Amino acid sequence: IVLTQSPGTLSLSPGERATLSCRASQSLSSTYLAWYQQKPGQAPRLLVYGASSRATDTPDRFSGSGSGTDFILTISRLEPEDFAVYYCQHYGSSPLTFGGGTLVEIK
Amino acid sequence: EVQLVESGGNLVQPGRSLRLSCATSGFNFDGYAMHWVRQAPGKGLEWVSGVSWNSDVMAYADSVKGRFTISRDNAKNSLYLQMSSLRPEDTALYYCVKDTHHSANWEAFDYWGQGTLVTVSS
Repeated sequence: IVLTQSPGTLSLSPGERATLSCRASQSLSSTYLAWYQQKPGQAPRLLVYGASSRATDTPDRFSGSGSGTDFILTISRLEPEDFAVYYCQHYGSSPLTFGGGTLVEIK
Repeated sequence: EVQLVESGGNLVQPGRSLRLSCATSGFNFDGYAMHWVRQAPGKGLEWVSGVSWNSDVMAYADSVKGRFTISRDNAKNSLYLQMSSLRPEDTALYYCVKDTHHSANWEAFDYWGQGTLVTVSS
């Protein structure tokens, strides 16, 4: 399963809403779609699993949605610490795959 | 506190072998599947391999199948990756990661180590 993330780069200001897309090459069970955040020099951090369940310590400004082949990660109001790279991931069965990532940068 | 500490990364010539280790603590290691994920410099994430909690199931990315072997020692709370026939394209930071839940299927990854760097170059 190939995951295609768009856009590649999102330039926004703090306080704005971010909408990140992840499209799968074939239909996924929503149970097996996750989102991660990675900041420079750090390991990735799990934000959302099961397409819409927030991981422990994930702020509620992050929300995941979608089904089938189209999934969305929304950040309702960007905080300074949210500028990072975001990856979606298919799991559940191998091979597990990641999308290419979306960089959310400060405009 | 959950901790995953990788070791074993090094500069190695193409065609040679290397063994990575991941020492874990802070959770019931034998209750969770574990994986290796890599990230080439400046690139995205690539899942490499996973092993079920009891080692019954091992899976590999096509890019490493036949060259890499994952294993675990539940008595030592440790995960391993034996890498052979290394290629320059295997150059990456290798992360040890833990599944979120005990499950019959692979799960999302809730804990990551800080990674160990493997550089394959002559």
